Amino acid sequence: DIVMTQGALPNPVPSGESASITCQSSKSLLYSDGKTYLNWYLQRPGQSPQLLIYWMSTRASGVSDRFSGSGSGTDFTLKISRVEAEDVGVYYCQQFLEFPFTFGSGTKLEIK
Amino acid sequence: QVQLQQSGAELAKPGSSVKISCKASGYTFTSYYISWIKQTTGQGLEYIGYINTGSGGTNYNEKFKGKATLTVDKSSSTAFMQLSSLTPDDSAVYYCARGIQGDAWGQGASVTVSS
Repeated sequence: DIVMTQGALPNPVPSGESASITCQSSKSLLYSDGKTYLNWYLQRPGQSPQLLIYWMSTRASGVSDRFSGSGSGTDFTLKISRVEAEDVGVYYCQQFLEFPFTFGSGTKLEIK
Repeated sequence: QVQLQQSGAELAKPGSSVKISCKASGYTFTSYYISWIKQTTGQGLEYIGYINTGSGGTNYNEKFKGKATLTVDKSSSTAFMQLSSLTPDDSAVYYCARGIQGDAWGQGASVTVSS
């Protein structure tokens, strides 16, 4: 199985500052179709996960443009600009290149 | 709007089975697969498998083969997951999600296995 490894954040992050969450995959997620098979989700406290980014850098419908995804085949970053109280929660990366699709262990964001 | 409404919490005895439902609304049910995901505090998020809601074809994570059985009822736009031979390790919150990319999730169904 592809292993997804997420980095930690230096919590808490001051409100209005930027935060970058890293994720690394044990295998390249860049496929021959030119797409990178990586999702980012946010799970707010007490809620279900919510899709933020798919294909590594495409924002899901209704997601604020403060969220952006970037990366290479194996190293990825989710950047949150001007963090707000509503951004609090756990962020997960997930690969959907190879079955079984696997998730990172999550990165918690706290706001100061 | 797109909604996935899951059945309620279950308390089950070891060795028994439970069946969780996921009723879809707000879109054409057979146009998207339904994925199932397990969440525990210890193991995080684990992908169980998915079902093709049009054909009923399934793909299971090896870890959950023999444990989970995915089915659909197209007439009611509902997907089901049965968990069998329950042990305490099956205690978790189980989510259904729309498609492979999970662009909509159910609210989760808590399963507690205890004697």
